[in-house]
Amino acid sequence: DGGITQSPKYLFRKEGQNVTLSCEQNLNHDAMYWYRQDPGQGLRLIYYSQIVNDFQKGDIAEGYSVSREKKESFPLTVTSAQKNPTAFYLCASSIVIGGANRDTQYFGPGTRLTVL
Amino acid sequence: EDQVTQSPEALRLQEGESSSLNCSYTVSGLRGLFWYRQDPGKGPEFLFTLYSAGEEKEKERLKATLTKKESFLHITAPKPEDSATYLCAVLAGTALIFGKGTTLSVSS
Repeated sequence: DGGITQSPKYLFRKEGQNVTLSCEQNLNHDAMYWYRQDPGQGLRLIYYSQIVNDFQKGDIAEGYSVSREKKESFPLTVTSAQKNPTAFYLCASSIVIGGANRDTQYFGPGTRLTVL
Repeated sequence: EDQVTQSPEALRLQEGESSSLNCSYTVSGLRGLFWYRQDPGKGPEFLFTLYSAGEEKEKERLKATLTKKESFLHITAPKPEDSATYLCAVLAGTALIFGKGTTLSVSS
């Protein structure tokens, strides 16, 4: 089955720790994205990448880092510099050009991060 | 500033009671408008993409329409399993801008 997988489903972090959230897709999509979702707010973009070895900051990139070494993978690291990391993190991917649903982003199941 | 506003924030319906959800937007250079369904604790599930004013798409009890300023998600004869949060997003440039969503509850 084609899709997007995120792991772990739940993650707990202690103050001062860096943690890495995994995102993998086997849809052969070019672009991948990371969003943060907080109660009562819309999804907010953290980082995105349209090609391997290249990525851009979104609206709330401070305290986060990413890498895109493979087309299929786009891990997100939440660093100790992120002051309020407790949230639901969503990874998405899309075909950049062409097709009936071009630019449509498809989402993974999410990772819930809690700071202890 | 690009902005997406969804209304109402919450909607309660009886089974079979049709209604509409609204998504109004202000963006420069709309490249697409997207509707998603999200169940609690899960990732958004794609429903529709609309590209130009006047376009309509349907899927089971759902129908999405688009004008130059807003989109509607019409729900016909809803069932309890339609209960979820419905998200609207617009693409301007390279990133999606999301509204805060409408939480729909359908009771039998």
